[in-house]
Amino acid sequence: DAKTTQPPSMDCAEGRAANLPCNHSTISGNEYVYWYRQIHSQGPQYIIHGLKNNETNEMASLIITEDRKSSTLILPHATLRDTAVYYCIVLRDNAGNMLTFGGGTRLMVKP
Amino acid sequence: DGGITQSPKYLFRKEGQNVTLSCEQNLNHDAMYWYRQDPGQGLRLIYYSQIVNDFQKGDIAEGYSVSREKKESFPLTVTSAQKNPTAFYLCASTQSTVAYGYTFGSGTRLTVV
Repeated sequence: DAKTTQPPSMDCAEGRAANLPCNHSTISGNEYVYWYRQIHSQGPQYIIHGLKNNETNEMASLIITEDRKSSTLILPHATLRDTAVYYCIVLRDNAGNMLTFGGGTRLMVKP
Repeated sequence: DGGITQSPKYLFRKEGQNVTLSCEQNLNHDAMYWYRQDPGQGLRLIYYSQIVNDFQKGDIAEGYSVSREKKESFPLTVTSAQKNPTAFYLCASTQSTVAYGYTFGSGTRLTVV
């Protein structure tokens, strides 16, 4: 599975959009980009995933570049409750795959 | 509501003692996982089980043991052979083969005193 690179930390003002980048330059054609987040002392929570097209759900939007070598998770109106560690994971979508987590990006939303 | 229950939330252990962390799910998931998380770090896989009575070592299995006698339960024993057991332990389960199908418990924080 392809490796990902994320900045270790970011700040965002409450009510503004939070844009979290992820580099995955060695991604293969059959690998998806997944985003999870972990609020302090809780288990990780699934946010969104995508293959090639941009995706949006009630939590966030995922923008994947045309060459698929990087992506951006967008929280459109960040709140204090969005303060968490955000993990970008690249994984083939078939049986036997297991989530592996790197260091992630620690997002601090400030009032 | 369906979910994963980990107990206890906080656990203190004396050096040299074995301790067992509980993980129960009522989601009817086939696969279950144990992860360890150290401060400021990502999650590392300890053991996983994709079916009852079968389990596999993850990346950091040394000093740990598991059992999977029932579909709903996947307890983790931290043995005295684990040299640095103080950590946050997370259990997860999944039915599907895709990464968005993972459900995590709320974790157990183990401290060796």
